[in-house]
Amino acid sequence: EVQVVQSGAEMKKPGESLKISCQASGYIFNNYYIGWVRQMPGKGLEWMGIIYPEDSETRYSPSFQGQVTISADKSVTTAYLQWISLKASDTSMYYCAVGVGVAIRPEFWGQGTLVTVSS
Amino acid sequence: EIVMTQSPVTLSVSPGERATLSCRASQSVNSNLAWYQQKPGQAPRLLIYSASTRATGIPARFSGSGSGTEFTLTISSLQSEDFAAYYCQQYNNWPLTFGQGTKVEIK
Repeated sequence: EVQVVQSGAEMKKPGESLKISCQASGYIFNNYYIGWVRQMPGKGLEWMGIIYPEDSETRYSPSFQGQVTISADKSVTTAYLQWISLKASDTSMYYCAVGVGVAIRPEFWGQGTLVTVSS
Repeated sequence: EIVMTQSPVTLSVSPGERATLSCRASQSVNSNLAWYQQKPGQAPRLLIYSASTRATGIPARFSGSGSGTEFTLTISSLQSEDFAAYYCQQYNNWPLTFGQGTKVEIK
């Protein structure tokens, strides 16, 4: 069984930077991935991107390319989602999800990190 | 980008009844289709992958079918805990895409 724990809720001002985290633990295979999914208030799910921590291979959805940075530290089985300059429109719940292999349909999800950006 | 379209947007069903949810892809995704359940305030939960394989611990009342561009999630006899939002997701092509969701509510 895999456990996925995300960092806590954040309240930021527009223009500020932010890095949130997602740590996986338990029985994790070598070719695991960690992905990030956005859910804006009252809306559906959107894939942002994924990373394979073992080799740092990263893929972004076009809508999020250049807007965020996904990184990982395989020594602590943790992935990160980073913004350089937040906007009010970044206010959302962000979920990370963990799975294995090339078929990206993750079974293990974090509890979500609520990011609120307001002046 | 593959567009996933779910129908209906809202489905009103009585407990014990059957619910049928549809998901259509704008181009073939083969069988690379997953279904998730999301309850308010909770993370999504994987129900079905490869269009028809139940994930670990998912009750047999949930079943998936289809391939190519047309997919169905069936809940054979709705229980109180099944009232939630359901999303399909294709993982055949990048970028990965979800449908807009179907909310199953109590009739």
